[in-house]
Amino acid sequence: GAGVSQSPRYKVAKRGQDVALRCDPISGHVSLFWYQQALGQGPEFLTYFQNEAQLDKSGLPSDRFFAERPEGSVSTLKIQRTQQEDSAVYLCASSSLRQGGAFFGQGTRLTVV
Amino acid sequence: AQRVTQPEKLLSVFKGAPVELKCNYSYSGSPELFWYVQYSRQRLQLLLRHISRESIKGFTADLNKGETSFHLKKPFAQEEDSAMYYCALSKAGANSKLTFGKGITLSVRP
Repeated sequence: GAGVSQSPRYKVAKRGQDVALRCDPISGHVSLFWYQQALGQGPEFLTYFQNEAQLDKSGLPSDRFFAERPEGSVSTLKIQRTQQEDSAVYLCASSSLRQGGAFFGQGTRLTVV
Repeated sequence: AQRVTQPEKLLSVFKGAPVELKCNYSYSGSPELFWYVQYSRQRLQLLLRHISRESIKGFTADLNKGETSFHLKKPFAQEEDSAMYYCALSKAGANSKLTFGKGITLSVRP
């Protein structure tokens, strides 16, 4: 497909478990963003990649959160030792360098029990 | 610090009524402003950007720098406009992160 693809769509994790969330951006999009959306809130920025370089990770809430994009295409957001407050929808977005705004994936809904 | 405020959580109108979804922002500099929409069970998608000065699906939004507002308007609401709407801003002239408001649910009744 032509859009941003995220997997899995839903993930239930036991507290303390590690999880990995995947994002396939639109082909050719240089920029890739991760956002976290808690229930009833707007998306909040986590981290930003330009190609394989992670240029901004100021939004990552703790050192349990780690993101990578080793070949400048697919990205993975990893959360170690998940906690209940990590329960949220994790959104990935991509865009070309010249374009403002971004195209979003459908998100991964993470529930930590 | 940059911030986007959407003061209302829900707006319910009848079909054919005018709609105004409010958005205020704070930002030191010249931001780029956006409205995103999320229909039921669909992904978040860009509705319009202030620099485009377009009308999309009958919606318009004018950037008022004096009032730091970017309200979304439509003269005659349709049932298919029912959705969640988010106002967002980013640094102008660069591909940078978005700061979102909390969103507003628009419900258009028949």
